[in-house]
Amino acid sequence: DVVMTQSPLSLPVTLGQPASISCRSSQSLVHGDGNTYLSWFQQRPGQSPRRLFYMLSNRDSGVPDRFSGSGSGTDFTLKISRVEAEDVGVYYCMQGTHWPQTFGQGTKLEIK
Amino acid sequence: EVQLLESGGGLVQPGGSLRLSCVASGFTFTRQAMSWVRQAPGKGLECVSTITGSGAGTYYAESVKGRFTISRDNSRDTVYLQLSSLRAEDTAVYYCAKNAGMDDWGQGTTVTVSS
Repeated sequence: DVVMTQSPLSLPVTLGQPASISCRSSQSLVHGDGNTYLSWFQQRPGQSPRRLFYMLSNRDSGVPDRFSGSGSGTDFTLKISRVEAEDVGVYYCMQGTHWPQTFGQGTKLEIK
Repeated sequence: EVQLLESGGGLVQPGGSLRLSCVASGFTFTRQAMSWVRQAPGKGLECVSTITGSGAGTYYAESVKGRFTISRDNSRDTVYLQLSSLRAEDTAVYYCAKNAGMDDWGQGTTVTVSS
């Protein structure tokens, strides 16, 4: 299975400041159809996960535009331009190019 | 509105079995792959199995291969996960998620494996 590695695993951020999470895959996530099936999920405390982005940078409905996804090949990034209190939770990357899908370990974002 | 409602979790002894169900609504079920994802207490997410829309294709994580079986009944808009030969490390909240990209999730059902 493809191994997804996130960093950092813990991310204390001051309200209003930017945040960035890195995700790396053990092999290229470029599918034979030319797409890169890399998604980002947010899991707030006590809730089910919620998808934020699919295919690298396509934002899901209702996701604020302060969130952005980018990357290519084996190296990916989730950025928050200005962290708000509601962003507290754990963020996961997931690859869907090679089944079964695999997740990163998660990055816990907290407010300083 | 998409809804996914899991059920079937509970307390089971090591070596035992359970069948989880996920009833879907709000979308054309037969067109979507469905996945089961689990989360052990205080841990991250693990996709344990995915099944294609027709049911012809199934995929499993190495950790559950040979012990878990995914299936679906498209006439009932339901996906199942049969858990067998359960171990303590299978203790987790089990979520079903819509399609391989997991764009919608249920609320989860808890499986506890303990004697």
